[in-house]
Amino acid sequence: KQEVTQIPAALSVPEGENLVLNCSFTDSAIYNLQWFRQDPGKGLTSLLLIQSSQREQTSGRLNASLDKSSGRSTLYIAASQPGDSATYLCAVHDYKLSFGAGTTVTVRA
Amino acid sequence: DVKVTQSSRYLVKRTGEKVFLECVQDMDHENMFWYRQDPGLGLRLIYFSYDVKMKEKGDIPEGYSVSREKKERFSLILESASTNQTSMYLCASINPGTAGSNQPQHFGDGTRLSIL
Repeated sequence: KQEVTQIPAALSVPEGENLVLNCSFTDSAIYNLQWFRQDPGKGLTSLLLIQSSQREQTSGRLNASLDKSSGRSTLYIAASQPGDSATYLCAVHDYKLSFGAGTTVTVRA
Repeated sequence: DVKVTQSSRYLVKRTGEKVFLECVQDMDHENMFWYRQDPGLGLRLIYFSYDVKMKEKGDIPEGYSVSREKKERFSLILESASTNQTSMYLCASINPGTAGSNQPQHFGDGTRLSIL
């Protein structure tokens, strides 16, 4: 059974600092890995999707890497802003999506 | 833009009631999913459906059933609601294409369900 772990569970940084969020998974036989953002009381918004054959994906200030052999992905957010405050979830897709518990990020102005 | 709409944002029901949660998507997606989200446990898959009238159990199907009579609508049913089913419920849809597709799942805003 796929197990997905996100560390740390919570993170607080001053505005402008770069954010590094970690995700690890136990079974490397995946189709892809997704990073989502969730605002309080809301659903999930897909940020980046990395296919199993890819090493990284970039969108604006966001960059996600994937090392399938070691079962790890990292989401980098450059020059953080208060609007980046949210919970970030990673999910791996084998025949279904398995989610980590998330990292709650607070960016202090 | 894909729109996944859940019929209620907040719902309060009593123990033993039969509860229906509705989800509608407007992009003709084949696959639809129901998750529940609890603090510290993340999202857990309850049921999913890859076609009309087709359904598959997820990781925690006990106490739930689903219905998919039309492609755009996927309903989650709590047969006899219990207090341990108090949770945030999220619906999602995807058109998966082939294996290894780069299509993301699209989520609704969630239904926060309280069972008293």
